[in-house]
Amino acid sequence: KAGVTQTPRYLIKTRGQQVTLSCSPISGHRSVSWYQQTPGQGLQFLFEYFSETQRNKGNFPGRFSGRQFSNSRSEMNVSTLELGDSALYLCASSFSDRGYETQYFGPGTRLLVL
Amino acid sequence: KNQVEQSPQSLIILEGKNCTLQCNYTVSPFSNLRWYKQDTGRGPVSLTIMTFSENTKSNGRYTATLDADTKQSSLHITASQLSDSASYICVVSARNNAGNMLTFGGGTRLMVKP
Repeated sequence: KAGVTQTPRYLIKTRGQQVTLSCSPISGHRSVSWYQQTPGQGLQFLFEYFSETQRNKGNFPGRFSGRQFSNSRSEMNVSTLELGDSALYLCASSFSDRGYETQYFGPGTRLLVL
Repeated sequence: KNQVEQSPQSLIILEGKNCTLQCNYTVSPFSNLRWYKQDTGRGPVSLTIMTFSENTKSNGRYTATLDADTKQSSLHITASQLSDSASYICVVSARNNAGNMLTFGGGTRLMVKP
C-alpha cells in the first residue's frame, strides 16, 4: 500500500505570493491533518479534515486554509506569504477521526519564502 | 492552555546504553498520548499510542509509560543503536466535539554515538 504522498517536495516563493500544497492520504484513509514544523516552534497543528469537513483548527491566521476532496486528497493554501511561513509542512492521514489510530505522515513539503 | 513539555532537549549516549525521555503535559480533556520518532528530513513515525487506562506499551526496544494522575509519560529506549539517533516527539491528543486537537512537545534530539 502506498504511503502518504505530498507534492511538491520543495518550493521557493517570495513574500506576498500564495502557495498550494497537496496531500494524498493512504488509500482508504479519510482523515487528513496538516502540521507546520519549524526549528523554533517545533510541530504545530494546522487543521484536520474528515470526510471533506474541517474538524479542528489550530492557532494559525486565516491566511492558512485547506480543503479536502471527495477522494480524501487534501490541499493546503497559504496566501500573502510571509518570511515566517518558511517551514516544513507535513500531512498525516489516518483511517478515521476517532483519535486512537496511528497517523501516518508524509515526507513533507519544504517551503522557503524569500 | 494545553502544553506538552519534553526533557531533555537533547541527549548523547553511547551505542548499547539505555536512556529515558520525559514528557509532562497539561492537556484537557485528555484522549491519548503518542510518541513519534522523526529522522532528519523525514516525517514522524508513530512508536506508541496510549489511552488513559494504559500504563505501559512497548514497541520493540521502545517502552512508553503513562501516569495519567501526574500527567507524565516517559519513553525508554533499551540497548540503543546508531539508528535510534533522531528526534522523539511526545504528542497529547485532546478530544472535543469537533474531533481531535493535538499538542506537540518540542522534542528530544537523541544522538547515539559508537
